[in-house]
Amino acid sequence: QSALTQPRSVSGSPGQSVTISCTGNSSDVGGYNYVSWYQQHPGKAPKFMIYDVTKRPSGVPHRFSGSKSGNTASLTISGLQADDEADYYCCSYAGSYTSVFGGGTRLTVL
Amino acid sequence: EVQLVESGGGLVQPGRSLRLSCAASGFTFDEYAMHWVRQAPGKGLEWVSGITWNSNTIDYADSVKGRFTISRDNAKNSLYLQLNSLRAEDTALYYCAKDIWVGTPRFAFDIWGQGTMVTVSS
Repeated sequence: QSALTQPRSVSGSPGQSVTISCTGNSSDVGGYNYVSWYQQHPGKAPKFMIYDVTKRPSGVPHRFSGSKSGNTASLTISGLQADDEADYYCCSYAGSYTSVFGGGTRLTVL
Repeated sequence: EVQLVESGGGLVQPGRSLRLSCAASGFTFDEYAMHWVRQAPGKGLEWVSGITWNSNTIDYADSVKGRFTISRDNAKNSLYLQLNSLRAEDTALYYCAKDIWVGTPRFAFDIWGQGTMVTVSS
């Protein structure tokens, strides 16, 4: 149950796009299409943003999209807005009824 | 309103025990798997444990296996986490979270509580 690997930080200017990667292995990210993403503002509970790699829950803007290739999942945020500045976490099913999170990525909107 | 409210956190000495509770409302609790996720101060999220709607399947992160016990009472719309043999590294904000899928868990968490803080220190 090793944590998934995410970049510690990414940044972009308003209106730009950024992509956050999430790398695991064949026992988690690569083995299942059960990757989800969460946004967390300081002092707040995480917010559900993406599930099943690419699906958006109702209420999440279309600017947020997910994808996966092999053992790496990605979250892309287009048309960056100031309120997108937050920590982002990926999560994957890891078999045997367990789950594993990534270490988190701090997004800074310049 | 769909809501999860955790309670039971506090300051506890190493080696002692604590029981966390999570009260659910606004959805059919007994249809969904539930999970505990924790976050140490200034650190990332860590999945701790999950339980299916009928309690038939339960598992834990390796870091807490053998020390923590998850359970639920569907009649009371409540989820629990018994924390035994606590260590300093268990200090964290403990969130309860609802799985998105009715029946079989999907391991995606659509509803989160605000968390209850557990501090392990002498």
